[in-house]
Amino acid sequence: GQQLNQSPQSMFIQEGEDVSMNCTSSSIFNTWLWYKQDPGEGPVLLIALYKAGELTSNGRLTAQFGITRKDSFLNISASIPSDVGIYFCAGPDATNKLIFGTGTLLAVQP
Amino acid sequence: NAGVMQNPRHLVRRRGQEARLRCSPMKGHSHVYWYRQLPEEGLKFMVYLQKENIIDESGMPKERFSAEFPKEGPSILRIQQVVRGDSAAYFCASSQFRGNQPQHFGDGTRLSIL
Repeated sequence: GQQLNQSPQSMFIQEGEDVSMNCTSSSIFNTWLWYKQDPGEGPVLLIALYKAGELTSNGRLTAQFGITRKDSFLNISASIPSDVGIYFCAGPDATNKLIFGTGTLLAVQP
Repeated sequence: NAGVMQNPRHLVRRRGQEARLRCSPMKGHSHVYWYRQLPEEGLKFMVYLQKENIIDESGMPKERFSAEFPKEGPSILRIQQVVRGDSAAYFCASSQFRGNQPQHFGDGTRLSIL
């Protein structure tokens, strides 16, 4: 089945640093979604991407839909402590169920 | 979390008991999805329902698990004769339409089996 691999698995950074994480797939996706999950809560949608090459921003977050449709990346600029959490990429398969990536754990030291 | 309501937030059951998890989708959403998350893993799809219909249950175990989304009321995920391996966080998501519509998630039900 379709799988999404995220890297890095975890990141430990200083407040103010920029962060970059990516997501790759062995097959094509027509939509890429980026979610953030805080401990004890559900995933919150950050950015949705619908077209190959699309670059979309949401505040300090920027995400891009790869040209090959097999990858996407998420950048966070000027990180702050509340950026801590697990970031998941996800994409819907042909029946619209979401396939989730393996997650990137972000820790930000003040 | 964008209006998807799940209850209870935490549920403790003994082996062999039944667990019933409820999900009320966002207002105006008629598509509901259930996912399961084990510790330190991503979410795994279980079942997709539209009002009164199961659209895709390919991720749901064939035995002991069932789901419904009646015309009135919340969607229910039911686990009969629970076992220790059922311990997980169960998340519900909803979308307004099928197709390229982002799914919005509730805060989940954390099921613990004693």
